[in-house]
Amino acid sequence: EAGVTQFPSHSVIEKGQTVTLRCDPISGHDNLYWYRRVMGKEIKFLLHFVKESKQDESGMPNNRFLAERTGGTYSTLKVQPAELEDSGVYFCASSPLPGGYNEQFFGPGTRLTVL
Amino acid sequence: GDSVTQMEGPVTLSEEAFLTINCTYTATGYPSLFWYVQYPGEGLQLLLKATKADDKGSNKGFEATYRKETTSFHLEKGSVQVSDSAVYFCALSTPYNNNDMRFGAGTRLTVKP
Repeated sequence: EAGVTQFPSHSVIEKGQTVTLRCDPISGHDNLYWYRRVMGKEIKFLLHFVKESKQDESGMPNNRFLAERTGGTYSTLKVQPAELEDSGVYFCASSPLPGGYNEQFFGPGTRLTVL
Repeated sequence: GDSVTQMEGPVTLSEEAFLTINCTYTATGYPSLFWYVQYPGEGLQLLLKATKADDKGSNKGFEATYRKETTSFHLEKGSVQVSDSAVYFCALSTPYNNNDMRFGAGTRLTVKP
């Protein structure tokens, strides 16, 4: 069974540009999460989808970030316009049931560098 | 708010040394506790977990016991190997947080032959 995949693995862009990250969860997993790790600090929650609906987006830093999950399958996270402080590693995770007592399966992450 | 504090790294050990990575937490209610590991070039993988007080999670020779009285979930391994070199993250989750994961800052472990 394929795991969570993320694309691209690395992205280097200039400040003010737009970048779109993609996450393909494990097939059948209704729950999809986005997290971000900035400069070696803790991994922080961004948002949680249940199928195509945003269950919780309390961790989204500002309105330059837009996440979508059309059709309840893959998800995209767009940053527009990108700022220097957006640099970091963006992780996606999926699970068949909501977190809590259940494991979330993580992708390898996308390393974003904003110059 | 709910949070996790873990021992800062990096940690460098010789092969077969004993490992402890400290983790303490603050949480509303009764969280589930996790240790995730990230090997070089790979995604986060669940290493072990515990869902209630006094539970011991174990996997690949690693162990951690859920200590409610000290709000801790320290990771231990009796004899580390070079292949254990990775970044280790302590995390918690509770229904009060809509079940999202709260992670510590990560501890980088390097094991030398």
